[in-house]
Amino acid sequence: AQKITQTQPGMFVQEKEAVTLDCTYDTSDQSYGLFWYKQPSSGEMIFLIYQGSYDEQNATEGRYSLNFQKARKSANLVISASQLGDSAMYFCAMREDAYSGAGSYQLTFGKGTKLSVIP
Amino acid sequence: EPEVTQTPSHQVTQMGQEVILRCVPISNHLYFYWYRQILGQKVEFLVSFYNNEISEKSEIFDDQFSVERPDGSNFTLKIRSTKLEDSAMYFCASYSNEQYFGPGTRLTVT
Repeated sequence: AQKITQTQPGMFVQEKEAVTLDCTYDTSDQSYGLFWYKQPSSGEMIFLIYQGSYDEQNATEGRYSLNFQKARKSANLVISASQLGDSAMYFCAMREDAYSGAGSYQLTFGKGTKLSVIP
Repeated sequence: EPEVTQTPSHQVTQMGQEVILRCVPISNHLYFYWYRQILGQKVEFLVSFYNNEISEKSEIFDDQFSVERPDGSNFTLKIRSTKLEDSAMYFCASYSNEQYFGPGTRLTVT
């Protein structure tokens, strides 16, 4: 089973509108972290926002917020007031914190959603 | 703001050749990682490195791959005998509370 599922291969949004990018996850760990990264066409991975499994408040970073619904195992990214520069691939990722030897904390990524912002 | 750096940004090599991809992680981080992304696909974990040894590796990280931290700052990924399917973007990352990714090295094997 996929650990991270992003069901929207592509999304379009009008400039200045809000958009929600979906992410569901699968883990049996109690302690985990959820991340969103932006990958523009230049290829770098830009960290956007982080939500810990024990965080009671939804994370927010400027125009980005994470709609965390733990019981439904979803961690959707909301981008408010979309800008042309938001056009990129967006990846949801999870870190599972179960102790394994020295620990690893590697991220498991979803397949991504390509967001296109229309002027 | 501290950042992860990677060199080179693009490497072209012939099949069967050895390549070394270099990374300088953020100085006070303790966990280091290599990931790869084949064009148009998702990012995949290769290996994590902690306390000067591999802490975990994926099934992709076979005997052709090795990692090293030769000094206090550099972190390298070596591919001994490259194959066409090794063509990908390779990302280095380091971790404190969040994973910071380097800009990537695009490896093209011809």
